[in-house]
Amino acid sequence: SYVLTQPPSVSVAPGQTARITCGGNNIGSKSVHWYQQKPGQAPVLVVYDDSDRPSGIPERFSGSSSGNTATLTISGVEAGDEADYYCQVWDSSSGHPGVFGGGTKLTVL
Amino acid sequence: EVQLVQSGAEVKKPGESLKISCKGSGYSFTTYWIGWVRQMSGKGLQLMGIIYPGDSDTRYSPSFQGQVTISADKSVSTAYLQWSSLKASDTAMYYCARGRRSGSYTDGFDIWGQGTMVTVSS
Repeated sequence: SYVLTQPPSVSVAPGQTARITCGGNNIGSKSVHWYQQKPGQAPVLVVYDDSDRPSGIPERFSGSSSGNTATLTISGVEAGDEADYYCQVWDSSSGHPGVFGGGTKLTVL
Repeated sequence: EVQLVQSGAEVKKPGESLKISCKGSGYSFTTYWIGWVRQMSGKGLQLMGIIYPGDSDTRYSPSFQGQVTISADKSVSTAYLQWSSLKASDTAMYYCARGRRSGSYTDGFDIWGQGTMVTVSS
């Protein structure tokens, strides 16, 4: 089945830009979705279809995807952005419902 | 308000059966896919499977095929996840989530339930 690879952790100082990657074979041809999960809470969709934001998600959150890598970018990182982030794709070729990446812990220094 | 409300925490013994629920409200329950997601303690998200309540079309992820059963009762706007014989390794938090776009399961999950903690221990 399709495998998504994320770095276990990313650290960034407040106000800086965080980039979280998600690697997968030809992921640029698939729609990638990103979720934020804070401790003890359910995940929240922050980016869908590579680069679109649901209503209520700050413009600081953006996404891109090309080739074998998708990227979630968080500009002007705030302490409240500290969380786990997961990418997800739908593997239409297999008929299976889809997979999540292993998750990345974002630490705000 | 669009929401998914899940049933409460469960403590079971190995070998017992269990069915947990996810009730949708504030939207047309029959036209949005519902997914079930497992999260073991300190671990990542795993998509178990999805169901379309309108016709009960169900798709399972390979790792969960044959291990659980996903169903839905559209008359009460509720999706279910059930086990016939629990194992200690089924101990986890289970979330239900709604597909973002009506009729499609490829557009991300935009509404999540609060989670149901299942503990299996002798």
